[in-house]
Amino acid sequence: SQTIHQWPATLVQPVGSPLSLECTVEGTSNPNLYWYRQAAGRGLQLLFYSVGIGQISSEVPQNLSASRPQDRQFILSSKKLLLSDSGFYLCAWNHAPLLTGELFFGEGSRLTVL
Amino acid sequence: AQKITQTQPGMFVQEKEAVTLDCTYDTSDPSYGLFWYKQPSSGEMIFLIYQGSYDQQNATEGRYSLNFQKARKSANLVISASQLGDSAMYFCAMREAGGYNKLIFGAGTRLAVHP
Repeated sequence: SQTIHQWPATLVQPVGSPLSLECTVEGTSNPNLYWYRQAAGRGLQLLFYSVGIGQISSEVPQNLSASRPQDRQFILSSKKLLLSDSGFYLCAWNHAPLLTGELFFGEGSRLTVL
Repeated sequence: AQKITQTQPGMFVQEKEAVTLDCTYDTSDPSYGLFWYKQPSSGEMIFLIYQGSYDQQNATEGRYSLNFQKARKSANLVISASQLGDSAMYFCAMREAGGYNKLIFGAGTRLAVHP
């Protein structure tokens, strides 16, 4: 069966420090991969998606970047964190094409920037 | 542009009663998919139910049903016989047209089930 894991689960970082969140999918190949951010009490905002190795699309201009070095690995990074980067980050995957397009989510990473 | 609207920031329901969570959407694409997800306080996103734009019947999954009114562009979630464990955030989402199966989400509704 397919599983998705992301880490770390929680982190507290000072403003200006770097960030690296990792996401790995198991049990499938060539998934679509997504990074979402959820501000406190808000909905999910799509940050990046990837349809293949090295292929990254950005949805909103921001302080973050994403990379996909391997088929089932998706990394979210920042060189210098801002206070506004705080939030709950969710990695997700699905298959393309897939009739329902349902997303399968990781456990989430809660980032607090101080 | 596609858009999902959830106008109820919070809802209360008595245990064992039914509750309807509202969702309206806007799209010019004739082919689309609508989803509902549940997010407990732990943060995980749990898929509940899916409705395709060409589906003739309303989707049902156990205690969850989707009241799909295409002409009104609404896709309300109905939870029957509410349980305490149903207390959570609920998100409506739409699969964006143009491939890649991207989902756009509404702002969510927080449901509290009271004993």
